[in-house]
Amino acid sequence: NAGVTQTPKFRILKIGQSMTLQCTQDMNHNYMYWYRQDPGMGLKLIYYSVGAGITDKGEVPNGYNVSRSTTEDFPLRLELAAPSQTSVYFCASTKGATQETQYFGPGTRLLVL
Amino acid sequence: QKEVEQNSGPLSVPEGAIASLNCTYSDRVSQSFFWYRQYSGKSPELIMSIYSNGDKEDGRFTAQLNKASQYVSLLIRDSQPSDSATYLCAVKSGTSYGKLTFGQGTILTVHP
Repeated sequence: NAGVTQTPKFRILKIGQSMTLQCTQDMNHNYMYWYRQDPGMGLKLIYYSVGAGITDKGEVPNGYNVSRSTTEDFPLRLELAAPSQTSVYFCASTKGATQETQYFGPGTRLLVL
Repeated sequence: QKEVEQNSGPLSVPEGAIASLNCTYSDRVSQSFFWYRQYSGKSPELIMSIYSNGDKEDGRFTAQLNKASQYVSLLIRDSQPSDSATYLCAVKSGTSYGKLTFGQGTILTVHP
């Protein structure tokens, strides 16, 4: 099992550009999450999904969109990139909602200039 | 606003000492508690989970939970330089679809 994979590893965007951060898991997990981590800070939840076709906002959803067409994939879309979106983005997944461990991908480092 | 607060760092301990990391949380319905370790430039990795009041030991790591005081801690015995990392406390509510609320992290440095 590859676990949770994310692409790209690093990206530089210009203000106003758009991009999609890819996340794939091969563990047949139902729940998937997108977090962002600013320097010296903990992780903040952007969006989450409890299954294909079902998504909901987290703590900091503004400027982002998600979709979940399959169990495996949970892409994060940035529209009109802003410097405030410079961060490290982590995707995570878990089988269930209560005592299950969340497994994290390696992260995508995004710089918006 | 559900909050998770960790003791301010950075924390520096000598090799072989006990490192104590603390975390308080505001949501009384929280049911699951996790400690993640994050090396610089890497993703968080789970090192301990605890669900019931009391202590849980795993090798050199001991997690302690006190739900009445809304407090969870992590003790690292015989600290090694390889334990130097940021430690993140995370809390999960039973009604939150598995969402984790993270503290800001505590940077631990173990010096030889």
